[in-house]
Amino acid sequence: QQQVKQSPQSLIVQKGGISIINCAYENTAFDYFPWYQQFPGKGPALLIAIRPDVSEKKEGRFTISFNKSAKQFSLHIMDSQPGDSATYFCAASGGATNKLIFGTGTLLAVQP
Amino acid sequence: DTGVSQDPRHKITKRGQNVTFRCDPISEHNRLYWYRQTLGQGPEFLTYFQNEAQLEKSRLLSDRFSAERPKGSFSTLEIQRTEQGDSAMYLCASSRPFIGTGVSEAFFGQGTRLTVV
Repeated sequence: QQQVKQSPQSLIVQKGGISIINCAYENTAFDYFPWYQQFPGKGPALLIAIRPDVSEKKEGRFTISFNKSAKQFSLHIMDSQPGDSATYFCAASGGATNKLIFGTGTLLAVQP
Repeated sequence: DTGVSQDPRHKITKRGQNVTFRCDPISEHNRLYWYRQTLGQGPEFLTYFQNEAQLEKSRLLSDRFSAERPKGSFSTLEIQRTEQGDSAMYLCASSRPFIGTGVSEAFFGQGTRLTVV
């Protein structure tokens, strides 16, 4: 019930294309869904996050789509750039501690 | 730099030795978390502090692991009698107090890469 499933494991996109990463969760107590970006040798950095009371959130080229009934959420990166090449993690949290449960990550490579 | 600071960045130790890592959270952040990340995986929660109180520990945190946060400021994570399976990146994160039903962003440090040989 604590798991967050993420797909695909890896993704290759051409510069200017759209990158789409999907996540699914089971625990209906989760109420916060962030996406993190991680470069090699660095800690994860928050990209964008959503609460379940909205179905979509957009910040610049990054959009989260959230489907509460399906218990799924996805990250869309528009106009993907080589600098976006990194590992992306979805996560979910809920409860008093707000500890994050992470997906297994997606390695994104944007080809110039 | 006002981010989360972790020290050391890298640690190589022999099996059986004890190691200690330090995390300095962002000032005014009362919540502090430790996570462990192995290659190709997402970070896994280890333990959580609110101020100086350790309020939650994962079952991943065996009795060889201990964490402290004296005075609610910096935190230390100690691993006793290290094993090769302890090799991983140890990440610290902090967040400010929640306001109402809001959720506060967790800021991660750059991690400590532990290699047990």
